[in-house]
Amino acid sequence: DVKVTQSSRYLVKRTGEKVFLECVQDMDHENMFWYRQDPGLGLRLIYFSYDVKMKEKGDIPEGYSVSREKKERFSLILESASTNQTSMYLCASSLPRGGAEKLFFGSGTQLSVL
Amino acid sequence: DQQVKQNSPSLSVQEGRISILNCDYTNSMFDYFLWYKKYPAEGPTFLISISSIKDKNEDGRFTVFLNKSAKHLSLHIVPSQPGDSAVYFCAASGRDGNKLVFGAGTILRVKS
Repeated sequence: DVKVTQSSRYLVKRTGEKVFLECVQDMDHENMFWYRQDPGLGLRLIYFSYDVKMKEKGDIPEGYSVSREKKERFSLILESASTNQTSMYLCASSLPRGGAEKLFFGSGTQLSVL
Repeated sequence: DQQVKQNSPSLSVQEGRISILNCDYTNSMFDYFLWYKKYPAEGPTFLISISSIKDKNEDGRFTVFLNKSAKHLSLHIVPSQPGDSAVYFCAASGRDGNKLVFGAGTILRVKS
């Protein structure tokens, strides 16, 4: 069974802390994505990656960075957490074009920044 | 500016009846449309999709209709079941095919 695993289900951090959200997929997918989900706004794309060591900004990259050192792992980094980054963070993976419809999501990380 | 809009935040339907969820888009470059379902504490899961070359796609109780001229798509669930209660997200992708743009979601409640 295919799997996208996010390291934490819940996280509570303080303003100004550096936060790492980890995501691992076991499907050998080239594409990986980070979204955040907020009520009334749906899922918004933060960053994505089409290959190892490659990254591209999504629609709301400000305040975030990413790292993809290995194909199966895609990390989201909040350099200095702020309260407006309190959200549900969802990682996803997919095959290249032709597989875009098969976005596989992790269960999400609910991050609270106090 | 939201390119994919789901204007109904919630919908309540009686078990056995039809559920109709609507979605509008503004970007004429979108050529692939999808619906995802999300239960609490789980990630979204793919439900059904449709290419812009079609106007209907059916999969069991789920049918998606696409009206390109109106830039509108809808998801029909017949008959609705209590287990269908979830948040439904409409999504679209352009010709690069790799990025999805999502709507805000509609909470469906199916009452038994």
